[in-house]
Amino acid sequence: AQRVTQPEKLLSVFKGAPVELKCNYSYSGSPELFWYVQYSRQRLQLLLRHISRESIKGFTADLNKGETSFHLKKPFAQEEDSAMYYCALLYNNDMRFGAGTRLTVKP
Amino acid sequence: DSGVTQTPKHLITATGQRVTLRCSPRSGDLSVYWYQQSLDQGLQFLIQYYNGEERAKGNILERFSAQQFPDLHSELNLSSLELGDSALYFCASSRTPRASEQFFGPGTRLTVL
Repeated sequence: AQRVTQPEKLLSVFKGAPVELKCNYSYSGSPELFWYVQYSRQRLQLLLRHISRESIKGFTADLNKGETSFHLKKPFAQEEDSAMYYCALLYNNDMRFGAGTRLTVKP
Repeated sequence: DSGVTQTPKHLITATGQRVTLRCSPRSGDLSVYWYQQSLDQGLQFLIQYYNGEERAKGNILERFSAQQFPDLHSELNLSSLELGDSALYFCASSRTPRASEQFFGPGTRLTVL
């Protein structure tokens, strides 16, 4: 079955430290993967997608087909990065979300 | 606000009741998606409409139904409510039928007592 796994429910780092939010997927075809972010009291918004290979707010994510992973990384975390992060896989136009990881960046 | 809007923000009701959640897409968007976000199930896709027609179906219960009207707003009807239906219900919209281009609304928090 096509699914997305985010193994960490909670992740806490100090400001300025590197951060990596893990995402693994199961899909036999060519996946289309996304990261969404939800800041406190705000709506879910797209952070980045693997197709565009972009960097948004200093975050990057590389698709590793061998490890079926799409981890989200940032070299120096900021307090304003504290939020809920969801990895998602697009399958037959059905956006399948992981359970999410709550990132807290401490001062 | 030209983004996706949802009403009401909060809804409290009792088991067995029926409620209707409303979503207005962004201006120019033809597709509407509904999602349920609960503590135990996470964020799950329910159903998608495009220009008034049902386009894709996810994990939507038979007690739930939706429709998209000619003015492109959408309503999600939840009936015979159970405690487990308590969740945040999100609507999203996109210009094309592709879910990869969707923008989310603020959600409606439903509490079933």
